[in-house]
Amino acid sequence: EVQLVESGGGLIQPGGSLRLSCAASGFIVGTNYMTWVRQAPGKGLEWISVIYSGGSTYYADSVKGRFTISRDNSKTTLYLQMSSLRAEDTAVYYCAREGLVGAIKYWGQGTLVTVSS
Amino acid sequence: DIQMTQSPSSLSASVGDRVTITCRASQGISKFLSWFQQQPGTAPKSLIYAASSLQSGVPSRFSGTGSGTDFTLTISSLQPEDFATYYCQQYSTYPWTFGQGTKVEIK
Repeated sequence: EVQLVESGGGLIQPGGSLRLSCAASGFIVGTNYMTWVRQAPGKGLEWISVIYSGGSTYYADSVKGRFTISRDNSKTTLYLQMSSLRAEDTAVYYCAREGLVGAIKYWGQGTLVTVSS
Repeated sequence: DIQMTQSPSSLSASVGDRVTITCRASQGISKFLSWFQQQPGTAPKSLIYAASSLQSGVPSRFSGTGSGTDFTLTISSLQPEDFATYYCQQYSTYPWTFGQGTKVEIK
């Protein structure tokens, strides 16, 4: 069974850095794409980044240059390194995995990041 | 960026009703479209991929149609557990984008 469990969220001051983790089980990280999606309080879903099995990465303009997606295949973990955090980065961050045909299928439960002084 | 516009933004319906939600893309996306359901305080759940294919385990009362720019999600007979917010998402072109959501409420 595929399971995704995010961690690393919390309260961080503007300008600070934080690394989110997504622990995967039931499959090998690196065999499918994995992605991060966030949801600001009371708002809709926003895609922010994806990493493919071959290592290619893509980012939303809102986080490009500030966030970095990576994975550690041996530890079956996906990461999101976030820097220069802003108040508007406050959100629940979900990791998700591709199904069989290029669409998101599996979701983690999310981790809340609050950027505030 | 491709803009995804859902309509309506919210609707009220009764158990047993047929419900249709529309999603329009600002440019053609072939069939690279997914639908998700989100209950309050929980992670999204994947319902449909490739515009019309049902994810495993999703009840057959959910169906999706469309290609190009116009898509629909239909719930043939609304059940109590279907009251939620629904999102469409295109994965044709980066950045992937979501619709603003449609909240289905109890009448």
